[in-house]
Amino acid sequence: SQQGEEDPQALSIQEGENATMNCSYKTSINNLQWYRQNSGRGLVHLILIRSNEREKHSGRLRVTLDTSKKSSSLLITASRAADTASYFCATANAGGTSYGKLTFGQGTILTVHP
Amino acid sequence: GAGVSQSPSNKVTEKGKDVELRCDPISGHTALYWYRQRLGQGLEFLIYFQGNSAPDKSGLPSDRFSAERTGESVSTLTIQRTQQEDSAVYLCASSLYRGDRVRGYTFGSGTRLTVV
Repeated sequence: SQQGEEDPQALSIQEGENATMNCSYKTSINNLQWYRQNSGRGLVHLILIRSNEREKHSGRLRVTLDTSKKSSSLLITASRAADTASYFCATANAGGTSYGKLTFGQGTILTVHP
Repeated sequence: GAGVSQSPSNKVTEKGKDVELRCDPISGHTALYWYRQRLGQGLEFLIYFQGNSAPDKSGLPSDRFSAERTGESVSTLTIQRTQQEDSAVYLCASSLYRGDRVRGYTFGSGTRLTVV
C-alpha cells in the first residue's frame, strides 16, 4: 500500500500564482522527500526535509513538515509554465531492516497555464 | 557514470517471454532500488539493495520477478513469463547510502515495458 497520500490529485493554475500540494503519511519517518516527474519517465529530486525539521526552502520551493499530523506540504511560488509536471512526495522509513526505504504517494499533476 | 543509466529504454515483448532490464547506478552509490510505475500511478517499490546486506525483496509482486546485483555495481531485474499486467515503466534509483538524509535518490530514465 502507498505510504503517502497526496492532495489534490490535479491542480491547474495561471503562471505567476502559487501552487500548494499536500502529502499525508501513516508511519514514523526518517525524512520526507519531494520529486518531480516530467512525461512519465525519470524523477528528479527536489528537496528533502528531515524528521526533526519543520520547514525548508530551496529557491521557489518551500516545504513544511508536521510530524504530529503526519503531513507535509510543498509550495511553489511564482509558478512558471515550465513547472508543469507531476509532483510526488516520498517517505523514508525510520528504522528496522527497511531503514531508508522510500515509499511514494500517487502524485499531484500540476498544470501551469501561460 | 554521471547519472543512473537504464537499458533498454523501451522494450516490447510477447506475453510469456522472459525479459531482463539493466541498471547502472552512479559509481560509488551503495544503495540501489527498483520501482514500477503503471500509467498514471505512483511508484510501487519492488526491491532494495544495500551493499552486502540481504536485499529487501518485499515489494516483488510474484515469484516471476527477481533481481540481482553484483557488489555495488550493475543490477538486473528479470521478469519471467511476462503478463500484460507487467506493462509499466520500471525505474531504477541509487543513493550514496541507505537513509541518505541529504541528497535523496537519483533516478534513471526508466525502461518502458510493453507486453503484447
